[in-house]
Amino acid sequence: DTAVSQTPKYLVTQMGNDKSIKCEQNLGHDTMYWYKQDSKKFLKIMFSYNNKELIINETVPNRFSPKSPDKAHLNLHINSLELGDSAVYFCASSQFRGGQSDTQYFGPGTRLTVL
Amino acid sequence: GEDVEQSLFLSVREGDSSVINCTYTDSSSTYLYWYKQEPGAGLQLLTYIFSNMDMKQDQRLTVLLNKKDKHLSLRIADTQTGDSAIYFCAESGQNFVFGPGTRLSVLP
Repeated sequence: DTAVSQTPKYLVTQMGNDKSIKCEQNLGHDTMYWYKQDSKKFLKIMFSYNNKELIINETVPNRFSPKSPDKAHLNLHINSLELGDSAVYFCASSQFRGGQSDTQYFGPGTRLTVL
Repeated sequence: GEDVEQSLFLSVREGDSSVINCTYTDSSSTYLYWYKQEPGAGLQLLTYIFSNMDMKQDQRLTVLLNKKDKHLSLRIADTQTGDSAIYFCAESGQNFVFGPGTRLSVLP
């Protein structure tokens, strides 16, 4: 019954590999997000999709590619992983397009460790 | 651009009140939020306040908003060891912006 779920919870991989993190929400929300939380716990938005359309694309390397097959799913694919990609990645969703009066609900996070 | 600031650390004794402060810059913010992140866990929405309110109370939590000064605070009454966590302030104006988080340590 989890509202926003992510898989896997932990991901350990070698530098240079390609990996994906999946996110699903069953809240019927229109907008989904990916955030990166670094080792200092700072949260930064990476991407936002509304009804499968990209609406926020912050300055992230183009090795990161979000994919939204439908509005309930937003997956994050990362190519050529680097040490600096190690972080916790959070998926979130909100009912509308984000911004004013739109609460975001977060998944449990995926801890990515690049060796 | 929009900015949200918080002090990074706060220590209190069990049973005391904790007050976590936050300032923000976006005057168009409609809602302001407090999220809690326990060690190794995701973000949990604790409470939020609409920008035309001054105060909101929910059991041990009291949120105070000074819109003129763009200052938000979260007061936790009778702080327990289970309240030890990082507390993030966030505002939804043009974008949804998080503060850096305040790490609350509750000492026995």
